[in-house]
Amino acid sequence: EPEVTQTPSHQVTQMGQEVILRCVPISNHLYFYWYRQILGQKVEFLVSFYNNEISEKSEIFDDQFSVERPDGSNFTLKIRSTKLEDSAMYFCASSSEGAFYNEQFFGPGTRLTVL
Amino acid sequence: RKEVEQDPGPFNVPEGATVAFNCTYSNSASQSFFWYRQDCRKEPKLLMSVYSSGNEDGRFTAQLNRASQYISLLIRDSKLSDSATYLCVVNGANQAGTALIFGKGTTLSVSS
Repeated sequence: EPEVTQTPSHQVTQMGQEVILRCVPISNHLYFYWYRQILGQKVEFLVSFYNNEISEKSEIFDDQFSVERPDGSNFTLKIRSTKLEDSAMYFCASSSEGAFYNEQFFGPGTRLTVL
Repeated sequence: RKEVEQDPGPFNVPEGATVAFNCTYSNSASQSFFWYRQDCRKEPKLLMSVYSSGNEDGRFTAQLNRASQYISLLIRDSKLSDSATYLCVVNGANQAGTALIFGKGTTLSVSS
């Protein structure tokens, strides 16, 4: 069964450093997403991406965040200067449809710890 | 006002029990609705989509009431493996309509 994969599974970084989280979406999916989940809290939408541009983003997704599809398979989330409050689990997701009736499939997540 | 509200539980039930979870959502323009399941420190996994006519998948039945902005999930004949957090999820219904909005989840613990 096709699945979304993410690397690394755990990233530890110092405050102020840049991190790049990587995702390989399901191969025939065209819509990609990032979500985050702070420990003990709900899953929160960050950004959606289609046709090499951002479709939608939340208030959390400020200028410190960027996304990119550098090649035909990878989808990345960059945090330019990490803050303590960026510590969370980051989930990548993908879907074959883009809006409304879009069943999104999630990767296993990257646990980001900012020290 | 929270966008998606769920009773956090926990619900502690014996094997074989029937358990029901409820959820309300605030955005009447929401178009699609889902139940996801999340095991501890794992990713959310799609359990089922929820349709206005109601839908059933084995032991799981989901219902949607658009007028009341209410979603439910019924689990019959609970198994130990059903122990998890159940997330009520709605489509954001804003901008491009791509964002999923999650509830905090309802925790279920099934014991033998």
